[in-house]
Amino acid sequence: EVQLVESGGGLVQPGGSLRLSCAASGFTFSSHWMTWVRQAPGKGLEWVAHIQQGGNEIHYVDSVRGRFTISRDNAKNSLYLQMNSLRVEDTAMYYCAREGSGWYFDFWGQGTLVTVSS
Amino acid sequence: EFVLTQSPATLSLSPGERATLSCRSSQSVSSSLTWYQQKPGQAPRLLIYDASKRAIGIPARFSGSGSGTDFTLTISSLEPEDFAVYYCQQRSNWRVTFGGGTKVEIK
Repeated sequence: EVQLVESGGGLVQPGGSLRLSCAASGFTFSSHWMTWVRQAPGKGLEWVAHIQQGGNEIHYVDSVRGRFTISRDNAKNSLYLQMNSLRVEDTAMYYCAREGSGWYFDFWGQGTLVTVSS
Repeated sequence: EFVLTQSPATLSLSPGERATLSCRSSQSVSSSLTWYQQKPGQAPRLLIYDASKRAIGIPARFSGSGSGTDFTLTISSLEPEDFAVYYCQQRSNWRVTFGGGTKVEIK
């Protein structure tokens, strides 16, 4: 059974940092692109970043580029999101998701909540 | 900028009725269009990929159609568990975009 379990969320002040983790199991992690998607309270879904199987190709949404860093450790079946210079508008539930064989997300974690507030 | 526009924003229907949701793209996406369902407090769930292919375990009452810039998600007969928010999504090269969502609520 495919499982994705996020952790690392919490309350942080503007300008602070957090590192999110996503532990994957039940599939060959190193064979899939992986993605972070976020959802602000009461709002829609926003893609944040994704990373190619070997970590050599990475892309970000414009609003986080230069502040967030996505990475992965295939030996540990884990995906990460280092978030620096956090802003109030980064407040959201952050989901990790697996990219299927096409350009879609076939499995999602339950999310970890990040709140940026003073 | 790539934009996906979903309509209507809210659809008020009764169980047993047919639901028709629209997703319009600002540029052609061929058939690379995906639909997700999200219930309150839950993660999104994959429903339809490649515009018309049902994901594993998705009931046959869900169907997708369209190509190019206009896509439709149809729920042939609404069950109580289908009242939720539905999002469309596309990926063009490396950029991923979601539509704003359509909420299907009980009338």
